[in-house]
Amino acid sequence: QVQLQESGPGLVKPSETLSLTCTVSGDSIINYYWGWIRQPPGRALEWVAYTSHTGITGYNTSLRSRVTISLDTSKNQFSLQLTSVTAADTAVYYCARRDTTSAVDPWGRGTLVTVSP
Amino acid sequence: EIVLTQSPDFQSVTPKDKVTITCRASQNIGYDLHWYQQKPDQSPKLLIKWTSQSFSGVPSRFSGSGSGTDFTLTINGLEPEDAATYFCHQSHSGWTFGQGTKVEIK
Repeated sequence: QVQLQESGPGLVKPSETLSLTCTVSGDSIINYYWGWIRQPPGRALEWVAYTSHTGITGYNTSLRSRVTISLDTSKNQFSLQLTSVTAADTAVYYCARRDTTSAVDPWGRGTLVTVSP
Repeated sequence: EIVLTQSPDFQSVTPKDKVTITCRASQNIGYDLHWYQQKPDQSPKLLIKWTSQSFSGVPSRFSGSGSGTDFTLTINGLEPEDAATYFCHQSHSGWTFGQGTKVEIK
């Protein structure tokens, strides 16, 4: 059974960089695509970015200039960095796998990141 | 960017009712449309992939249909545990999600 677990600071100051890591168990990140999706409190889901071991990467165009997504195959983890954060970046951040039909499954449990002084 | 618009935003229904949620894409996305269920304080769970393929373990009362720009999620015989928010998701060009439809049990 594939499981994903997000980790990282729950509080980030404005203008700083948000950094999250997703640890994958039950599958190798060499397979499939792996991505990040966020959900501001009480709002809809918003795609952030995804990537694969082949180097193919996709970004939400509205966030692209601030986002870095990377894989660490030695640790079977992938990471997200979002620079110059503001209160608008406050959200639950989910890591997830894109399956062969391009649907998203499974998802991590999510981690709330609050941007506040 | 492909925009997905769901309707309705909210639906209050009685158990055993039939529920229909629609998702309209701003451009042709073929069959690259998926549906998820999200309950409070939980991560979304895949229900239907590629328009109409039921995901493993999903009850048969959930079904999907459509193509191009217009898609539908149907729940035939709503159960109380189906109270949740439902999102559509396109993977035709990048990823985008609909705004969600909250289904409440009367």
